[in-house]
Amino acid sequence: DVKVTQSSRYLVKRTGEKVFLECVQDMDHENMFWYRQDPGLGLRLIYFSYDVKMKEKGDIPEGYSVSREKKERFSLILESASTNQTSMYLCASSLRANQPQHFGDGTRLSIL
Amino acid sequence: QQPVQSPQAVILREGEDAVINCSSSKALYSVHWYRQKHGEAPVFLMILLKGGEQKGHDKISASFNEKKQQSSLYLTASQLSYSGTYFCGTDHYGGSQGNLIFGKGTKLSVKP
Repeated sequence: DVKVTQSSRYLVKRTGEKVFLECVQDMDHENMFWYRQDPGLGLRLIYFSYDVKMKEKGDIPEGYSVSREKKERFSLILESASTNQTSMYLCASSLRANQPQHFGDGTRLSIL
Repeated sequence: QQPVQSPQAVILREGEDAVINCSSSKALYSVHWYRQKHGEAPVFLMILLKGGEQKGHDKISASFNEKKQQSSLYLTASQLSYSGTYFCGTDHYGGSQGNLIFGKGTKLSVKP
C-alpha cells in the first residue's frame, strides 16, 4: 500500500515566521501535490511537481514556495506566514498522470 | 475553472440511492472521484478516462459524458459507510503533469 506521510498533524506558528511542511511518499511516485482545504471551498492546488527539481504553480501559489530535491520528498514553504494561511494542508502523490492520487493525513496549521 | 458539483449536500436513509453530478465549463480529458470521511484523508474511488465510459465497483459506479463535459457518481442501496464528502477532480489536458482541479464537494449523510 502507498504511504504518504506528512511530518506534523497539527502545527501552530506565529505571523511572519517561515514555515516548512514536509511530505514523504514511499512508492517511487513521479507526481506530488500540495493542496489546502478550507470549509466550503474544496481542495485547492497550491503547487505540484512531476519530477525531481521540477515544480509548477497551481491555482493559489501566492505566499508559498516548494522544494523537491529528492523524488520521495516534497516540501511546502510559507515564506512569511500570515493568518489567512491558517488551513488544513494535504499532500498527495500519484505514480504518473491519470493515476490515483494518494493523500497524506493532512497538517492542520494555525497561524496566530 | 473549478468544476461544479451538485447537490452540495444530501441526506439518505440506508438502502436509498443517490446521484452526485460534476460539471465543467471546459472540455474534459478525465474525471476522478474521491471520498473523504470526517477527519480523514480523501480516498480514491475511480477514474473515468473515455467519453461515455462507465465504471464501478460494488454499489458505487460512475459515468462520464465527454460531450456534455460532465460526470455522475451513482450510489446504490446506500450503506452507513458511504457517509462522507465526495469530490470530483477534473483533468483538462491529459498531459504528463497530472494535476486535477477539484470541485467543492458533496456532503452525503446516510442515516439508519
